Amino acid sequence: DAGVTQSPTHLIKTRGQQVTLRCSPKSGHDTVSWYQQALGQGPQFIFQYYEEEERQRGNFPDRFSGHQFPNYSSELNVNALLLGDSALYLCASSRFTEAFFGQGTRLTVV
Amino acid sequence: AQSVAQPEDQVNVAEGNPLTVKCTYSVSGNPYLFWYVQYPNRGLQFLLKYITGDNLVKGSYGFEAEFNKSQTSFHLKKPSALVSDSALYFCAVSPLGTDNDMRFGAGTRLTVKP
Repeated sequence: DAGVTQSPTHLIKTRGQQVTLRCSPKSGHDTVSWYQQALGQGPQFIFQYYEEEERQRGNFPDRFSGHQFPNYSSELNVNALLLGDSALYLCASSRFTEAFFGQGTRLTVV
Repeated sequence: AQSVAQPEDQVNVAEGNPLTVKCTYSVSGNPYLFWYVQYPNRGLQFLLKYITGDNLVKGSYGFEAEFNKSQTSFHLKKPSALVSDSALYFCAVSPLGTDNDMRFGAGTRLTVKP
């Protein structure tokens, strides 16, 4: 079992660009959540997807959007990137269990 | 708002000594409370969670946590620290009582010295 896999591992984007991050959940998991972890801080909840719908959302602007596919994989999209969006983006999957986290995607906005 | 606070940025202990990493929470209702650990270049790993019942929760790698409703605390403990326990520890709360919508504290860096 590969666990939760995220791609890419690292990414550099320019201010104003758009970015898409991808997540494949652990086998058997159907719920995917995304978290943003800025340097030196704890992860911040962005949103949760279940049955291809956004079920919960944290305090993030509409520039952050997502999608869940029928195979439970998920994408996180961020539009109009700001320097402050630079962070480690973590995906976590679950199904009636504790959440399992991927290694994250390190996004740097320059 | 549901939130957690980790009052210590850093905790240092000697190998073999007991360790405590503190967490206090502010929630309404019956929270789910969690502890996760983060090693360098690795994702967060689940240690334990409290849902209801026994106030002492046992988790992975010999860790345990004590839920104290009157003090709104959920401190992480281990009777005998190992050098390999050195890592970043996060306390988290779930507002809606699920496993994957957590609000995390800022983290506590634990250093265990030989």
